[in-house]
Amino acid sequence: GALVYQYPRRTICKSGTSMRMECQAVGFQATSVAWYRQSPQKTFELIALSTVNSAIKYEQNFTQEKFPISHPNLSFSSMTVLNAYLEDRGLYLCGARTINTEVFFGKGTRLTVV
Amino acid sequence: QQKVQQSPESLIVPEGGMASLNCTSSDRNVDYFWWYRQHSGKSPKMLMSIFSNGEKEEGRFTVHLNKASLHTSLHIRDSQPSDSALYLCAAVNTGNYKYVFGAGTRLKVIA
Repeated sequence: GALVYQYPRRTICKSGTSMRMECQAVGFQATSVAWYRQSPQKTFELIALSTVNSAIKYEQNFTQEKFPISHPNLSFSSMTVLNAYLEDRGLYLCGARTINTEVFFGKGTRLTVV
Repeated sequence: QQKVQQSPESLIVPEGGMASLNCTSSDRNVDYFWWYRQHSGKSPKMLMSIFSNGEKEEGRFTVHLNKASLHTSLHIRDSQPSDSALYLCAAVNTGNYKYVFGAGTRLKVIA
Protein backbone atom coordinates (compact mmCIF):
# COMPACT_ATOMS: atom_id res chain seq x y z
CA GLY A 1 0.00 0.00 0.00
CA ALA A 2 0.85 3.67 -0.17
CA LEU A 3 2.68 5.07 2.84
CA VAL A 4 4.26 8.38 3.69
CA TYR A 5 6.98 8.58 6.30
CA GLN A 6 8.08 11.77 7.94
CA TYR A 7 11.12 12.32 10.11
CA PRO A 8 11.98 13.38 12.58
CA ARG A 9 8.68 12.88 14.39
CA ARG A 10 9.58 15.48 16.97
CA THR A 11 12.24 18.12 17.16
CA ILE A 12 13.18 21.00 19.40
CA CYS A 13 15.22 23.90 18.16
CA LYS A 14 16.46 27.11 19.67
CA SER A 15 14.84 30.33 18.58
CA GLY A 16 16.61 31.71 15.53
CA THR A 17 18.03 28.39 14.38
CA SER A 18 16.85 26.22 11.52
CA MET A 19 15.66 22.70 11.18
CA ARG A 20 15.06 20.37 8.26
CA MET A 21 12.29 17.81 7.98
CA GLU A 22 11.91 15.04 5.46
CA CYS A 23 9.10 13.19 3.75
CA GLN A 24 9.40 9.81 2.07
CA ALA A 25 6.74 8.22 -0.15
CA VAL A 26 6.72 4.43 -0.21
CA GLY A 27 4.71 2.28 -2.58
CA PHE A 28 3.81 5.01 -5.03
CA GLN A 29 5.30 7.85 -7.00
CA ALA A 30 4.77 11.20 -5.34
CA THR A 31 4.27 13.47 -8.32
CA SER A 32 2.76 16.04 -5.99
CA VAL A 33 3.84 16.85 -2.43
CA ALA A 34 2.20 19.44 -0.21
CA TRP A 35 3.44 20.69 3.14
CA TYR A 36 0.96 21.79 5.79
CA ARG A 37 1.20 23.23 9.26
CA GLN A 38 -1.18 22.64 12.13
CA SER A 39 -0.86 24.93 15.09
CA PRO A 40 -3.02 25.76 18.10
CA GLN A 41 -4.06 29.00 16.43
CA LYS A 42 -4.89 27.62 13.00
CA THR A 43 -6.15 24.12 12.41
CA PHE A 44 -4.76 23.32 8.96
CA GLU A 45 -2.69 25.61 6.73
CA LEU A 46 -1.15 24.86 3.37
CA ILE A 47 2.44 26.06 3.20
CA ALA A 48 3.33 25.08 -0.34
CA LEU A 49 2.59 22.59 -3.10
CA SER A 50 5.36 20.98 -5.09
CA THR A 51 4.59 19.17 -8.33
CA VAL A 52 7.31 17.44 -10.30
CA ASN A 53 8.32 19.46 -13.37
CA SER A 54 6.59 22.58 -12.04
CA ALA A 55 7.67 25.44 -9.83
CA ILE A 56 6.89 25.10 -6.14
CA LYS A 57 3.89 27.23 -5.29
CA TYR A 58 3.82 28.91 -1.89
CA GLU A 59 0.68 30.09 -0.18
CA GLN A 60 0.19 33.61 1.10
CA ASN A 61 2.13 34.17 4.33
CA PHE A 62 4.68 31.50 3.45
CA THR A 63 7.83 32.12 1.40
CA GLN A 64 10.63 30.14 -0.12
CA GLU A 65 13.06 32.26 1.84
CA LYS A 66 11.57 31.03 5.09
CA PHE A 67 10.48 27.50 4.10
CA PRO A 68 12.73 26.25 1.31
CA ILE A 69 11.48 22.98 -0.16
CA SER A 70 13.26 20.34 -2.19
CA HIS A 71 11.43 17.70 -4.25
CA PRO A 72 14.28 16.04 -6.16
CA ASN A 73 12.54 12.81 -7.13
CA LEU A 74 9.23 10.93 -6.99
CA SER A 75 9.76 9.51 -3.53
CA PHE A 76 11.31 12.27 -1.47
CA SER A 77 10.75 15.84 -0.35
CA SER A 78 12.28 17.98 2.36
CA MET A 79 11.45 21.30 3.89
CA THR A 80 13.54 23.51 6.12
CA VAL A 81 12.21 26.02 8.61
CA LEU A 82 14.78 28.81 8.62
CA ASN A 83 15.27 31.10 11.62
CA ALA A 84 12.50 29.40 13.56
CA TYR A 85 10.61 31.45 16.13
CA LEU A 86 7.76 30.72 18.50
CA GLU A 87 5.10 31.34 15.87
CA ASP A 88 6.60 28.55 13.73
CA ARG A 89 5.86 25.85 16.27
CA GLY A 90 3.34 23.24 15.34
CA LEU A 91 2.85 19.96 13.53
CA TYR A 92 4.20 19.95 9.98
CA LEU A 93 2.42 17.45 7.76
CA CYS A 94 3.50 16.16 4.39
CA GLY A 95 0.78 15.02 1.99
CA ALA A 96 1.76 13.19 -1.18
CA ARG A 97 -0.18 11.87 -4.11
CA THR A 98 0.18 10.71 -7.66
CA ILE A 99 -2.19 11.54 -10.49
CA ASN A 100 -5.77 10.50 -9.78
CA THR A 101 -5.16 9.26 -6.26
CA GLU A 102 -6.12 10.61 -2.90
CA VAL A 103 -3.56 12.38 -0.74
CA PHE A 104 -1.61 10.21 1.65
CA PHE A 105 -0.33 11.94 4.75
CA GLY A 106 2.62 11.27 6.96
CA LYS A 107 2.32 11.44 10.74
CA GLY A 108 4.01 14.80 10.83
CA THR A 109 7.02 16.45 12.39
CA ARG A 110 6.23 18.31 15.58
CA LEU A 111 8.39 21.38 15.95
CA THR A 112 8.94 23.01 19.32
CA VAL A 113 10.87 26.26 19.46
CA VAL A 114 12.53 27.25 22.72
CA GLN B 1 -7.45 32.06 -5.49
CA GLN B 2 -9.62 29.06 -4.81
CA LYS B 3 -10.89 28.75 -1.26
CA VAL B 4 -12.61 25.98 0.60
CA GLN B 5 -14.72 27.11 3.53
CA GLN B 6 -15.69 24.67 6.24
CA SER B 7 -18.27 25.30 8.90
CA PRO B 8 -18.65 25.24 11.77
CA GLU B 9 -15.09 25.60 13.05
CA SER B 10 -15.96 23.40 15.97
CA LEU B 11 -18.92 21.30 16.93
CA ILE B 12 -19.97 19.48 20.07
CA VAL B 13 -22.64 16.79 19.86
CA PRO B 14 -23.92 14.33 22.45
CA GLU B 15 -23.23 10.65 22.03
CA GLY B 16 -25.90 9.16 19.80
CA GLY B 17 -26.64 12.50 18.17
CA MET B 18 -26.26 13.68 14.59
CA ALA B 19 -23.22 15.72 13.55
CA SER B 20 -23.47 17.83 10.40
CA LEU B 21 -20.42 19.39 8.80
CA ASN B 22 -20.38 21.73 5.81
CA CYS B 23 -17.92 22.55 3.07
CA THR B 24 -18.12 24.94 0.11
CA SER B 25 -15.67 25.63 -2.68
CA SER B 26 -15.28 28.88 -4.59
CA ASP B 27 -13.85 27.12 -7.68
CA ARG B 28 -16.44 26.38 -10.35
CA ASN B 29 -14.09 23.83 -11.94
CA VAL B 30 -14.13 21.53 -8.94
CA ASP B 31 -15.10 17.98 -9.90
CA TYR B 32 -15.32 16.21 -6.59
CA PHE B 33 -14.69 16.43 -2.90
CA TRP B 34 -12.76 14.43 -0.35
CA TRP B 35 -13.54 14.16 3.34
CA TYR B 36 -10.66 13.30 5.61
CA ARG B 37 -10.60 12.60 9.32
CA GLN B 38 -7.68 13.25 11.66
CA HIS B 39 -7.73 11.85 15.16
CA SER B 40 -5.55 13.55 17.74
CA GLY B 41 -1.90 12.60 17.27
CA LYS B 42 -2.58 10.78 14.01
CA SER B 43 -2.27 11.64 10.34
CA PRO B 44 -5.34 12.62 8.31
CA LYS B 45 -6.94 9.66 6.54
CA MET B 46 -9.47 9.59 3.71
CA LEU B 47 -12.98 9.00 5.02
CA MET B 48 -15.13 9.37 1.93
CA SER B 49 -15.10 10.94 -1.48
CA ILE B 50 -18.02 12.07 -3.62
CA PHE B 51 -18.14 12.76 -7.33
CA SER B 52 -21.82 12.87 -8.24
CA ASN B 53 -24.70 15.04 -7.21
CA GLY B 54 -26.74 13.50 -4.48
CA GLU B 55 -25.93 11.33 -1.56
CA LYS B 56 -23.49 8.62 -0.65
CA GLU B 57 -23.79 6.53 2.48
CA GLU B 58 -21.24 4.34 4.22
CA GLY B 59 -22.37 3.01 7.54
CA ARG B 60 -23.13 5.89 9.90
CA PHE B 61 -21.58 8.41 7.51
CA THR B 62 -23.51 10.17 4.74
CA VAL B 63 -22.09 12.69 2.32
CA HIS B 64 -24.21 15.02 0.21
CA LEU B 65 -23.05 16.95 -2.81
CA ASN B 66 -24.70 19.80 -4.66
CA LYS B 67 -22.50 20.56 -7.64
CA ALA B 68 -24.49 23.64 -8.62
CA SER B 69 -23.66 25.34 -5.33
CA LEU B 70 -20.32 23.55 -4.91
CA HIS B 71 -21.43 22.52 -1.48
CA THR B 72 -20.87 19.23 0.28
CA SER B 73 -21.87 18.12 3.72
CA LEU B 74 -20.92 15.22 5.94
CA HIS B 75 -23.45 13.80 8.38
CA ILE B 76 -22.59 11.37 11.13
CA ARG B 77 -25.54 9.68 12.76
CA ASP B 78 -25.41 7.93 16.11
CA SER B 79 -22.20 9.84 16.87
CA GLN B 80 -19.69 8.08 19.09
CA PRO B 81 -16.88 9.52 21.24
CA SER B 82 -14.47 7.79 18.85
CA ASP B 83 -15.77 10.10 16.08
CA SER B 84 -14.17 13.04 17.89
CA ALA B 85 -11.57 14.34 15.46
CA LEU B 86 -10.68 17.08 13.00
CA TYR B 87 -12.65 16.68 9.77
CA LEU B 88 -11.06 18.11 6.64
CA CYS B 89 -12.75 18.72 3.34
CA ALA B 90 -10.86 19.03 0.06
CA ALA B 91 -12.11 20.24 -3.30
CA VAL B 92 -10.45 18.49 -6.24
CA ASN B 93 -10.07 19.60 -9.84
CA THR B 94 -9.31 16.66 -12.11
CA GLY B 95 -8.50 18.95 -15.02
CA ASN B 96 -5.32 20.26 -13.45
CA TYR B 97 -4.97 17.67 -10.66
CA LYS B 98 -5.15 20.41 -8.07
CA TYR B 99 -6.85 20.11 -4.72
CA VAL B 100 -7.45 22.51 -1.86
CA PHE B 101 -8.18 21.63 1.74
CA GLY B 102 -10.33 23.68 4.06
CA ALA B 103 -9.23 24.59 7.57
CA GLY B 104 -11.32 21.81 9.10
CA THR B 105 -14.12 21.31 11.58
CA ARG B 106 -13.19 20.02 15.00
CA LEU B 107 -15.86 17.60 16.23
CA LYS B 108 -16.20 16.55 19.83
CA VAL B 109 -18.70 13.88 20.82
CA ILE B 110 -19.41 13.83 24.51
CA ALA B 111 -20.70 10.80 26.39
